[in-house]
Amino acid sequence: EVQLVESGGGLVQPGRSLRLSCEASGFAFGDYAMHWVRQAPGRGLEWVSGIDWNGGNIDYADSVKGRFTISRDNAKNSLFLQMNSLRPEDTALYYCAKDPTTKPYYMDVWGKGTTVTVSS
Amino acid sequence: DIVMTQSPDSLAVSLGERATINCKSSQSVLYSSNNRNYLAWYQQKPGQPPKLLIYWASTRESGVPDRLSGSGSGTDFTLTISSLQAEDVAVYYCQQYYSKPYTFGQGTKLEIK
Repeated sequence: EVQLVESGGGLVQPGRSLRLSCEASGFAFGDYAMHWVRQAPGRGLEWVSGIDWNGGNIDYADSVKGRFTISRDNAKNSLFLQMNSLRPEDTALYYCAKDPTTKPYYMDVWGKGTTVTVSS
Repeated sequence: DIVMTQSPDSLAVSLGERATINCKSSQSVLYSSNNRNYLAWYQQKPGQPPKLLIYWASTRESGVPDRLSGSGSGTDFTLTISSLQAEDVAVYYCQQYYSKPYTFGQGTKLEIK
C-alpha cells in the first residue's frame, strides 16, 4: 500500500524553527517528485514547495521562499521541510504529497498531515 | 503568479442531479508544444486529505467514478458530476501546474439540497 506519514509538527514560537519529515512506503520513492502543501484552519489549499526525483529542481511559494527548505533522502525514503523564522501565518496542517512524475506537477497520493501552530 | 478562481463558492444540488463547478485561470495553462492543459481537480472530504480526481484537465484518476468528468481548455475549466451521490459531498479544488508557484482555486463546497 502506498503510504505517506508526516511527523515533526507542533507548537512553536514566532521566529523559531521546525523540521517536518515525511516517510514514504509502498512505492519507489526515488522515482517520483514530491510536494509539501498546507492548509490553514478552515481555509483552502496552498502549495508550499516541490522537489523533483533527485533533488535537482526545487521551487517554493513566494510566502515561504528564503525561510523554508525542502530536501529528500532517497536512501531513507524520506522528504523533509526545514522551516525557519516561523510566523503566525504559517500555522496550518502540512501535507506531504507524491507526484506521479519525476518533475513536480500535481499530487496523486497525500499523507494525513502534521499540524504546525506558530504562537507565543 | 497564476490566480485560480472557482465558481460558485458553494453549491447545493439534489441527489441524482448534475453538479457543475467552474475554474478560471488568470492566464492560459495550455502548453502549446504538447497541447496539454496543466490542470488538476481534487476532492476533500471533512477531516481527510485531498484526493486526486482529474489531471491534464480531463484524465480521470484510476478508481474515480465515471460520473465525474473534467473539461475545458486554456483558461476555463469545468468539473461535472453527472448524477450527484451522497458520497460526493465535499470541497473541490482546481490546481494549475503550468507555472510555479503552483496555485489552487479557493475551493467549492458541494452539498445536498
